[in-house]
Parts: sequence; structure tokens; C-alpha cells
Amino acid sequence: DIQMTQSPSSLSASVGHRVTITCRASQNVRMYLNWYLQRPGKAPELLIYAASSLQGGVPSRFSGSGSGTDFTLTISSLQPEDVATYYCQQSYSTPTFGQGTKVEIK
Amino acid sequence: QVQLVESGGGVVHPGRSLRLSCAASGFTFSSYGMHWVRQAPGKGLKWVALIFSDGSDTRYADSVKGRFTISRDNSRNTLHLQMNSLRTEDTAVYYCAKDKVDVGATKIFDYWGLGSLVTVSS
Repeated sequence: DIQMTQSPSSLSASVGHRVTITCRASQNVRMYLNWYLQRPGKAPELLIYAASSLQGGVPSRFSGSGSGTDFTLTISSLQPEDVATYYCQQSYSTPTFGQGTKVEIK
Repeated sequence: QVQLVESGGGVVHPGRSLRLSCAASGFTFSSYGMHWVRQAPGKGLKWVALIFSDGSDTRYADSVKGRFTISRDNSRNTLHLQMNSLRTEDTAVYYCAKDKVDVGATKIFDYWGLGSLVTVSS
């Protein structure tokens, strides 16, 4: 299976600040990379699919980039409701997820 | 709107069986592939199984192959996961999730249920 590695494992940032999370695949997944957020005690939600396409209803402060093995999720201006754990997932082959990045407000 | 509601979770002894169900509404269930994804307590997400829209094809994670069976009843808009020979490491919240596109299976999960907790313990 393709291994997905996220960094950092956790971060703390102030409201309004820019946040960047990276995801690396153990082999080329082209642009078959998706991002989810999971708020505490809730089900995951799709944010970004195909590396950079914003899922309907997701605020435009979220964006994704990358291809091949290296990907980035950016929150342009962190909001209190963005406190969550973020997961990347490859859909190139048997689905696998990163270990998650926990985002908190400083 | 799309709704997915899981049921059937509970506490079970190792080696026993359990059947999860997921009731779907708000979309044409028979047109979409469906998945099960699980999350052990305090851990990350792991994909478990996929069934294509007409039930003609299924795929499994290696960790559950031969023990779990995914199935669907398109007349009742219901997804199932039959779990046999359960192990303590199968303890998790099990989510059903809808595939994003109504052709094949993209393995992009655009809607998720609230989950059903399965605890395997002696």
C-alpha cells in the first residue's frame, strides 16, 4: 500500500494567520489526493479533492496544491471553527490516509 | 440532503460476528459506490471496503479480507458490513461513506455517516 506522511503532527496558530500542512506519498499518486477535516467527536468532511478542487460548500480560505508525491493544504486565514484534525488521503490505488494533523488556536 | 445513518454496533467477544447497516437517503443510492472506513479510538482513518453501485464488484483492505463482507440492497437503500471472526484490533468507529462520482469508484468520500462503534473485547 502507498504510505502517506503528514507534517506537522500538530500545530497551534492565531486566528487570522496562514496555516500550511504538507502530505507526502511514498510513490507517485499523480493528482489523486484528497483532504478531509474531522472536528472533535464528528465525522470527517471532504475539503479538497483531486489535489486542488474545492468541494462544494467549503470556504474559499481552504486551498490545495501539489502533484506526484508532495502536496499542501493551506488555510489562508485560520478561523475558530477550523479547529480540527486534517487528513490527506490518496485515491490512486487502495485508499490510504495520512496520520493526521491536529490544528489548534493559539 | 444526503444522509447516511449507521446502526448495528455494540460490544462483542473476540471470534464472534456482527453486522453493520447504513441507511442512505437524499441521493440515488443505486448509482454510487459505497465504502466503509473505520477509526480506532484516538487513531486515524483506515479504509475497510468498497462496493460498486450495482454490487457486482467489491474490494477489501488486507486486514479484513476473508473475514468481512460488504453488501448492499439497492431496493432498500441500505449498505451492510458483515464482520466475522472479530479481533480486538477491529475495535473502532465504523463510518459508511458515499463515493463522490456516479461512475465506477473514485475512492473520494464526499459524505460520511456519524459512525457506529464496534468494541471487540473479552
